Amino acid sequence: GAVVSQHPSWVICKSGTSVKIECRSLDFQATTMFWYRQFPKQSLMLMATSNEGSKATYEQGVEKDKFLINHASLTLSTLTVTSAHPEDSSFYICSARVDRPEAFFGQGTRLTVV
Amino acid sequence: AQSVTQPDIHITVSEGASLELRCNYSYGATPYLFWYVQSPGQGLQLLLKYFSGDTLVQGIKGFEAEFKRSQSSFNLRKPSVHWSDAAEYFCAVSPNTNAGKSTFGDGTTLTVKP
Repeated sequence: GAVVSQHPSWVICKSGTSVKIECRSLDFQATTMFWYRQFPKQSLMLMATSNEGSKATYEQGVEKDKFLINHASLTLSTLTVTSAHPEDSSFYICSARVDRPEAFFGQGTRLTVV
Repeated sequence: AQSVTQPDIHITVSEGASLELRCNYSYGATPYLFWYVQSPGQGLQLLLKYFSGDTLVQGIKGFEAEFKRSQSSFNLRKPSVHWSDAAEYFCAVSPNTNAGKSTFGDGTTLTVKP
């Protein structure tokens, strides 16, 4: 149990376009989901916390208008990178929490902006 | 704010040798503690976790970790390293008041010599 799936696993988009990444909890309902970004050879940095039915809480320095997060249901959260630029190229990972003191990670999405 | 320090950026050990990866954290109370492993281009795999109770925690793949409150440490150990253990290792903490919201260390790259 406790499987989190991200889609797509990798995506290439042109500079200036928007791309949407989905994070689904497959076998449980997630009250809270988290979005992280990982640049090459660096650690994971929390971008935002997403609660179902409410606005996401963004970490300091993360542009909420650029990284749109929607958590419309207890099993799905989406991250949309708007007007993507090459510097947005990164590995994006989501995690989802149940009523246990841990979150389960998706497999990540590799975004390349060309 | 919580923080995690992994003092060793890169560690090289011979196959069959023992391994210890260090992790120190800073937090007002005892947080939840985790160790993850990440292979290149892949997502995170949870090795083990500590919430409470026995301070010596057993994980997958023969790994264990010991929580030492007095030293604010959660070091990862393995008695005999295999070549397949070569990867990036991340220590993470999340507050017991907001479980799942993780702060990661910068990671330790493990190289295994034949």
